[in-house]
Amino acid sequence: GAVVSQHPSRVICKSGTSVKIECRSLDFQATTMFWYRQFPKQSLMLMATSNEGSKATYEQGVEKDKFLINHASLTLSTLTVTSAHPEDSSFYICSAQGTSGQPQHFGDGTRLSIL
Amino acid sequence: EDKVVQSPLSLVVHEGDTVTLNCSYEVTNFRSLLWYKQEKKAPTFLFMLTSSGIEKKSGRLSSILDKKELFSILNITATQTGDSAVYLCAVDPNFGNEKLTFGTGTRLTIIP
Repeated sequence: GAVVSQHPSRVICKSGTSVKIECRSLDFQATTMFWYRQFPKQSLMLMATSNEGSKATYEQGVEKDKFLINHASLTLSTLTVTSAHPEDSSFYICSAQGTSGQPQHFGDGTRLSIL
Repeated sequence: EDKVVQSPLSLVVHEGDTVTLNCSYEVTNFRSLLWYKQEKKAPTFLFMLTSSGIEKKSGRLSSILDKKELFSILNITATQTGDSAVYLCAVDPNFGNEKLTFGTGTRLTIIP
C-alpha cells in the first residue's frame, strides 16, 4: 500500500521551457502533498506544501510564480517549473500524506536537466 | 530552530556486519520520528516512531526512540549489499502543516 507515482522520471530540455511534473497517490487519498528539491549529496529541501483544493504554501525563498503547484484532486498534484533555466536543474521529489500524522510516502523523483 | 542530527555521516562495513545509525533531535514540538532509506531514487519509508522504548522491527531492521534523551537508533543486522543507501531521519513536529525536519543522512556502504 501507499504507492506514490511521479512522472516523468527524467527531463532534459532547453532553457526557457516550462516543465510539468505530476505526482499521483495510487492507492490512497492524499490530503496533503509536498514538493521537495534535492541537490547532490544533500538532504531534501521542502519547497511547498499543498492541500487539495487550496493554494500551496511556499517555503521562504521559493518563488511561487516560478514553481506553480496545483493540487486539483485528492490523488494528483502537479509542479510546473516555468521558464526553466540551468540553475533549476535538480532532483525534484514529491510526497503524499493520507491523513494528519501518517508518514509521508515519496514518489521516485524527477531528475530535471536544463541545457 | 528545529534541528535533526545524524551520525555517522558515512559508514563503510563488510557484508554480514551489524550497524547502528544514530539520530538526535532538538525540536520545539514533536509528534513522531521517521526513518527513510534512499537509494538512487526518492526515499522509501521504513519506520515511524511515536513512543519511547517500543522497538519497531522489519526483518533485519529495527528502530527505537528515546523521547527523554531525544534520540533514535536504526539497527541493521547481517547487512547485505542491498542495504547500501543513505538513511534519512526526520521529525514530524505536529504543527498542523506536517512539515518534516530532515537530518543530513547517513551514507551506508556495504562491501561484499
